[in-house]
Formats: sequence, C-alpha cells, structure tokens
Amino acid sequence: EVQLVESGGGLVQPGGSLRLSCTVSGFNLRSHWMNWVRQAPGKGLEWVGNIEHDTNEKQYADSVRGRFTISRDNAKNSVFLQMDSLRAEDTAVYYCATVVPGAVDSWGQGTLVTVSS
Amino acid sequence: DIVMTQTPLSSPVTLGQPASISCRSSQSLVHSNGNTYLSWLHQRPGQPPRLLIYKISDRFSGVPDRFSGSGAGTDFTLKISRVEAEDVGVYYCMQMTEFPWTFGPGTKVEIK
Repeated sequence: EVQLVESGGGLVQPGGSLRLSCTVSGFNLRSHWMNWVRQAPGKGLEWVGNIEHDTNEKQYADSVRGRFTISRDNAKNSVFLQMDSLRAEDTAVYYCATVVPGAVDSWGQGTLVTVSS
Repeated sequence: DIVMTQTPLSSPVTLGQPASISCRSSQSLVHSNGNTYLSWLHQRPGQPPRLLIYKISDRFSGVPDRFSGSGAGTDFTLKISRVEAEDVGVYYCMQMTEFPWTFGPGTKVEIK
C-alpha cells in the first residue's frame, strides 16, 4: 500500500524557517517525481513545486521561488521542503504527493504550517 | 501562467441524478508530445484530494465508472452519471502541461 506521511508543520513567526518531511512507503521513491501542494485555510489548491526522480531538477511556483527548496533522500524514502523567509500568506496545509505522467496520483494527509506572530 | 476556470462554482445536486462540471484553460493544454495533461481531483471535507481522472478521460485505479471526463484543447468536462452521497465535496481540475502547474478554483458539490 502506498503511504505518504508529512511531518514538521507547526507555528512559526514571520521571517522564520521550517523544514517539512514526507516519508513514503509502498513504492520505489527512486522512480517517482514528487511534488508539494498547499491549501490555505478554506481555500483551493496551490502547486508549490516538484523534484524529478532522475536529474533531481526542481521547479517552483513563483510565489515560493527563492524562499523554498525541495530535496530528496531516496535512501531514507523521504522528500523535504525547506521553507525560509516565511510569510503570513504561506499559512496552509502542505501536502506531498507522487507524480506519474499526467497526474498527481497519491497524496499524504498533509501537515499544517501557521505563520503568525 | 495558464489560468484554469471552472463552472459552476457551486452545484446542488439530487441523489441519483447526473452532474456536470466544466473547466476551461486560458490556453491549449496540448503538450508538445501530443498528450493533454488535464486531470480532475475530488476532495472531501477534512481529507486530502484524490485523483479521479487524468489525461482528460483516463479513470484512475479504483474510481467508479460513473465518473467520466471529456474535452479537448481548452474546454473540458467532468460528468457524474448518477450522484451518490459520497460524491459530495470539492472538485478541482488541474493542468500539468506547462509549469507552473495550476488548479481551477474548485466546484463545490452538495446534495439538495
């Protein structure tokens, strides 16, 4: 069974940093692109970025480029989202999800990040 | 960026009756490789989204056949042939043809 479990969310002050982790099981992480999607309270879905499986090339949304960094450690079955210079508008539930050609197919339960003083 | 719009934004439906959601993109979603990367996701309250349809009309594993997708270019439709109680929630279209990947605003489906 495919499982993705996000962790690392919490309350952080504006300008602060947080590192989210996504630990996966039930599939070979080495074979998958992985991405992060967020959802502000009561709002829709926003793609944050992804990381390719072979080249480790990354793409980011304009709203987070330069502040957020995605990385992966296949040996630890984990994907990470380093978030720096956090702003109030980054408050959201952050989901990690697997990517197959043409689809974001498996999602974690999400972890809540609250940016507030 | 490709902007995704959906209509309606809210849809009260009757159990057992059909429902339809439209999604339009600001530019063609046909990729240079000939594929069209338009998918549909469903999110129940308090749950993560789950994939229903990908590449316009391919049903994801385990998705009931009452869900179907159609369309081409910039106009796409999700149809539910007979709405069941478990179908309530918000439906999103999503394009993966061009970065940044973008979602529609969501259509809330509720039972009348």
